[in-house]
Amino acid sequence: QVQLQESGPGLVKPSGTLSLTCAVSGASMSNAGWWSWVRQPPGKGLEWIGEISPTSGTDNYNPSLTSRVSISIDTAKQHLYLKLNSVTAADTAVYYCVRGGWSNFDRWGQGTLVAVSS
Amino acid sequence: QSALTQPPSASGSPGQSVTISCTGTSGDVGAYDYVSWYQQHPGKAPKLIIYEVSKRPSGVPARFSGSKSDSTASLTVSGLQAEDEADYYCSAYAGNSNGVFGGGTKLTVL
Repeated sequence: QVQLQESGPGLVKPSGTLSLTCAVSGASMSNAGWWSWVRQPPGKGLEWIGEISPTSGTDNYNPSLTSRVSISIDTAKQHLYLKLNSVTAADTAVYYCVRGGWSNFDRWGQGTLVAVSS
Repeated sequence: QSALTQPPSASGSPGQSVTISCTGTSGDVGAYDYVSWYQQHPGKAPKLIIYEVSKRPSGVPARFSGSKSDSTASLTVSGLQAEDEADYYCSAYAGNSNGVFGGGTKLTVL
C-alpha cells in the first residue's frame, strides 16, 4: 500500500520560502502518471498547487501561483518537493502531497500544516 | 479559473439518499469526463470516492454513485450511514493542464 508523508517547517516568516518534502513508500513513483501538491487553508476548501510527471519532468502550476511555485521530483529517492516563494499569511494552509492528476487524485498524504507568521 | 459551485450543506436521515450537486461550465465539467469526488472527515486527508464521473475506486461502497448532465455533476449517497457525515468536494479538469475544485459540501446525517 503506497504511503505518502509530508515533512518540513511548520512555521515560515512572511516573504520567506516554504519548502516541503514528500516521502513516498510502498510503490514506485515512476509508475504514477502525475504527482501533485494540494493545499487547504484552515476551515476552507481545497486548492490545487501544481503537478509533475515522474517520467518526463513536465510540470504544470495553478495560474494564480505559477510565479512563486516550483515542484520537483527525485524518483531514485522517492521524494516529491515543493517550494513556494514570497509567502504571506494567505499561504497558511495544510499542504497535501498527492498521487495523481486531474483524472483522479487517488492517494493523499496526511498533510502538514504550515503557518506563515513573524 | 472559478471554483465549481457546490451547496454549502446537505443532510439526510440514516437509510435515506442524498444528492450533492457540483456546477461548473462548458469549459470544465461540461467539456471533459474528468470529474472526481472526495470525502473528507474532520482532521483527515481527502479520500477519492468517485473518478471519471461515475467510477468507484476499489473499496468504496456501491452506496456512492456519480453522474453528470451538461455542466453539472452529482454525487448520490444511498442508504445514508452515520460514517458518511463528512465534507465532500468535487473537482474537474478544465483543459490546458489545469482544473478546479468545488467549494465543498458539509453532509450531515440527522
